[in-house]
Amino acid sequence: DAKTTQPNSMESNEEEPVHLPCNHSTISGTDYIHWYRQLPSQGPEYVIHGLTSNVNNRMASLAIAEDRKSSTLILHRATLRDAAVYYCIPPGTSYDKVIFGPGTSLSVIP
Amino acid sequence: SQTIHQWPATLVQPVGSPLSLECTVEGTSNPNLYWYRQAAGRGLQLLFYSVGIGQISSEVPQNLSASRPQDRQFILSSKKLLLSDSGFYLCAWSPGGSGQPQHFGDGTRLSIL
Repeated sequence: DAKTTQPNSMESNEEEPVHLPCNHSTISGTDYIHWYRQLPSQGPEYVIHGLTSNVNNRMASLAIAEDRKSSTLILHRATLRDAAVYYCIPPGTSYDKVIFGPGTSLSVIP
Repeated sequence: SQTIHQWPATLVQPVGSPLSLECTVEGTSNPNLYWYRQAAGRGLQLLFYSVGIGQISSEVPQNLSASRPQDRQFILSSKKLLLSDSGFYLCAWSPGGSGQPQHFGDGTRLSIL
């Protein structure tokens, strides 16, 4: 019943950009797309969210496809501290419940 | 600014003992509150959420219960712990309304012996 698809794992070299993809083909027109990340032994941390337009904040950028069936989280320069599991939150959870799938485990290579 | 406090950070309990984990939020009013559990190496499972005092919704049948005695206080309890209750328990809050992100506490690592 998973409504999103993310790669299980990805690797990046330090100081290079990272593009983390997520497919959410069943998204409805009013569903926000949320991204969180979880560092080892910590609780998840909100990263960014958006509806239609691309979004930027101090942590990352979110690129949303025109049909909204996919999105990409962009870390402009990966650091060792960015090694974490990144979760793209499924559509249909925009009101008050956030459902976490397995996410993408990002490794950053020095 | 808003902060969320969750304690204790680590807890070791024997099978059959009771449990009480507390979570409080500061700097906001009428937040939505959540309890999650994460088994080792697994994703997060939503256990309970609350949109107001005394209002608790349970996502999965289990050995646990939740209460919200005050607006910014959320408590996770059990009368008798099972081995399967071991895990990483996380409390979170969000503002009410559509599309609002959740903010998590530091979690409680619970080990049942």
